Amino acid sequence: GQQLNQSPQSMFIQEGEDVSMNCTSSSIFNTWLWYKQDPGEGPVLLIALYKAGELTSNGRLTAQFGITRKDSFLNISASIPSDVGIYFCAGQNFGNEKLTFGTGTRLTIIP
Amino acid sequence: EADIYQTPRYLVIGTGKKITLECSQTMGHDKMYWYQQDPGMELHLIHYSYGVNSTEKGDLSSESTVSRIRTEHFPLTLESARPSHTSQYLCASSDYRGGGETQYFGPGTRLLVL
Repeated sequence: GQQLNQSPQSMFIQEGEDVSMNCTSSSIFNTWLWYKQDPGEGPVLLIALYKAGELTSNGRLTAQFGITRKDSFLNISASIPSDVGIYFCAGQNFGNEKLTFGTGTRLTIIP
Repeated sequence: EADIYQTPRYLVIGTGKKITLECSQTMGHDKMYWYQQDPGMELHLIHYSYGVNSTEKGDLSSESTVSRIRTEHFPLTLESARPSHTSQYLCASSDYRGGGETQYFGPGTRLLVL
């Protein structure tokens, strides 16, 4: 089946730093989604990407749908304490209602 | 903002008990999903539904069952809970927008089976 490799697995940064994480797939997707999950909560949708090459921003977050349809990245600028959590990418194909999730990137902010 | 609700949020129960995890959404979405997730790990799809009277098994084998009698309601049942069922259970629903489907998640139910 499809696999999503998400990297890095974890990040330790200082407040104010920029963050970059990415997902790569062994096959193509038609939709890429980025979620953030706080401990004990459900994932919250951050950005949805529907077209290859699409670059979308949501406040300090920017995500891009790779031209090859096999990758996506998420950038966070000027990180703040509430950015702490686990970030998941997810890919989906047309006609396949199932999402394939990445393994997550755990973001920690060092005081 | 997604209007999808799960109850209970936390449940501690003994082995052998029957439990039902509730999920409801007020967005009129046809498609709904159940995922199982261990802490800090990836999500695994265990059930999904295209709409009323439709239920399908997901990628991860699960001893739970689901039903979809109403569009807004997608409960998950474990007939006899076991410690191996301890996990977080996440419900989601999806809509079609911008050329693709987007899933929205509930807050989850954390289940501990003793």
